[in-house]
Amino acid sequence: QKEVEQNSGPLSVPEGAIASLNCTYSDRGSQSFFWYRQYSGKSPELIMSIYSNGDKEDGRFTAQLNKASQYVSLLIRDSQPSDSATYLCAVRGLNTGFQKLVFGTGTRLLVSP
Amino acid sequence: DVKVTQSSRYLVKRTGEKVFLECVQDMDHENMFWYRQDPGLGLRLIYFSYDVKMKEKGDIPEGYSVSREKKERFSLILESASTNQTSMYLCASSFGGNGSPLHFGNGTRLTVT
Repeated sequence: QKEVEQNSGPLSVPEGAIASLNCTYSDRGSQSFFWYRQYSGKSPELIMSIYSNGDKEDGRFTAQLNKASQYVSLLIRDSQPSDSATYLCAVRGLNTGFQKLVFGTGTRLLVSP
Repeated sequence: DVKVTQSSRYLVKRTGEKVFLECVQDMDHENMFWYRQDPGLGLRLIYFSYDVKMKEKGDIPEGYSVSREKKERFSLILESASTNQTSMYLCASSFGGNGSPLHFGNGTRLTVT
């Protein structure tokens, strides 16, 4: 079982729709969770971080965390073509050492005009 | 804003050459990391450092070494480059502590021929 799993996609949504990106992780001791966006040929950029169960909103982005289910998600409201990118889920846990982040392989999102 | 600077954007080297990839951060971060990113495999940690002259192996350290003589600079060394080391190399830094995200440099696309 991979430590951090994401559906590779592509996830295709029309402009203006809600995109829902999901991530599961195996380390129950995980404490910090991050979402990164990566455009083709570019490096990952941080979108959101979440540490507690529940929802965290930042503009059009909402991160959701459920530690009991070992599940973290990212919702993008009013999706725009400029949101088309690969979204990486990253987890920091006890078993991996607190300095390191373990990344999923990413979900490719395509937003069509 | 955090700035992580990688010395080269593109690099072409021959098999057997010794290759140096340099990374500098300007935020006084304790931790620095080297990842490589390959299609379908995601981001894989090569080495990280949590202090000057300190280093820890990541998941795929074989064929690589690192050097951290100053807090702001972290170098990745390919002792004898091989074609299977053709990849995108990403440097990142973070503060110490569980909640700190990684900040990435722009990446170095290395091709070994």
